[in-house]
Amino acid sequence: DAKTTQPPSMDCAEGRAANLPCNHSTISGNEYVYWYRQIHSQGPQYIIHGLKNNETNEMASLIITEDRKSSTLILPHATLRDTAVYYCIVRVAGNSGYALNFGKGTSLLVTP
Amino acid sequence: GAGVSQSPSNKVTEKGKDVELRCDPISGHTALYWYRQRLGQGLEFLIYFQGNSAPDKSGLPSDRFSAERTGESVSTLTIQRTQQEDSAVYLCASSQNTEAFFGQGTRLTVV
Repeated sequence: DAKTTQPPSMDCAEGRAANLPCNHSTISGNEYVYWYRQIHSQGPQYIIHGLKNNETNEMASLIITEDRKSSTLILPHATLRDTAVYYCIVRVAGNSGYALNFGKGTSLLVTP
Repeated sequence: GAGVSQSPSNKVTEKGKDVELRCDPISGHTALYWYRQRLGQGLEFLIYFQGNSAPDKSGLPSDRFSAERTGESVSTLTIQRTQQEDSAVYLCASSQNTEAFFGQGTRLTVV
């Protein structure tokens, strides 16, 4: 699986949009971009995934650049409960025999 | 069940003892993962089961660690002759296709 690079930490004011970047310059054509988050003392939680088109669900939006070498996870109106470590993972879809490899992620702090 | 269940939630053991951690995945999920997370650290991949395929054991840190899975049901992670460095939260996840669902983990403390 391709490796990803994320900033170690970010701050965001409550109510503002949180934009979390991820670089994955060696991504392969059949690899998807997945985002998970881990709130303190809990197991990781799936957020969203995409291949090349932008995706949106009730939690977040995912913007993938045209060359697919980077992406941004957007939390449109961050709340204090969004404080967590956010992981960007690239992986072929489905249960393909490849494990989910989490990196160090970005620690997002949402402040009042 | 409604989600991935792990037991026990907490385990304190003496150095040198063996421990067994259990994971009950979501029914029907063919993939099952084990991870280790030391305090303040990221998730460290241990082992991955996918259906009837041979498991990916590439993340197991030593031969003291082993895991079994019966078909597509429960999995057990066994740590023999525990060491203090084994203290961590052990997380299990299961997946049917795309999204992996995690349990709340077992917090292992080796004293």
